[in-house]
Amino acid sequence: GENVEQHPSTLSVQEGDSAVIKCTYSDSASNYFPWYKQELGKRPQLIIDIRSNVGEKKDQRIAVTLNKTAKHFSLHITETQPEDSAVYFCAAINTDKLIFGTGTRLQVFP
Amino acid sequence: DSGVTQTPKHLITATGQRVTLRCSPRSGDLSVYWYQQSLDQGLQFLIHYYNGEERAKGNILERFSAQQFPDLHSELNLSSLELGDSALYFCASSVEEGNYGYTFGSGTRLTVV
Repeated sequence: GENVEQHPSTLSVQEGDSAVIKCTYSDSASNYFPWYKQELGKRPQLIIDIRSNVGEKKDQRIAVTLNKTAKHFSLHITETQPEDSAVYFCAAINTDKLIFGTGTRLQVFP
Repeated sequence: DSGVTQTPKHLITATGQRVTLRCSPRSGDLSVYWYQQSLDQGLQFLIHYYNGEERAKGNILERFSAQQFPDLHSELNLSSLELGDSALYFCASSVEEGNYGYTFGSGTRLTVV
């Protein structure tokens, strides 16, 4: 089955800096890769997603890149703000279910 | 409000007991997924239902079972509860299987004492 690895597990950045979170997946048949943001005690919320026929997608300060050959995808957050502090999960579709990475705790310091 | 409703929000129960968690998907969504999130852990897939039929099982214990009813709401039954079952249980729904982002409910926090 699909296995998704996510790095780093924690990331601390200064406000205004960029943050990058990387994920790799094992099943070459996976074709949909969403990213979720989860604040403490809250539900995961979809922030951006990418499909396998696209190499890059951007939404304001957030971008995701996908390298199908290497089977990895990354989340890029620019101009980070304190409200970006949360746990971020990557995921990959395996047949009909999402398999999640282990999460990255991002802390943005003012 | 995400449109996915989970009840109850909190549940405290003793070891050995049985509980039922309920999920109502967003209007129009046919797929329901259950995930378990233990403290500071990731989201572990438990089970998926589509239009009343079980579609996939993850690392779901034999003490756990689920079903999706004709009105598309789903219930997750946890029995012979152990301390280690304490976790946040999330339900998510999507329009159809596969390539769509899930919408998560607010979760049920289960504490087994």
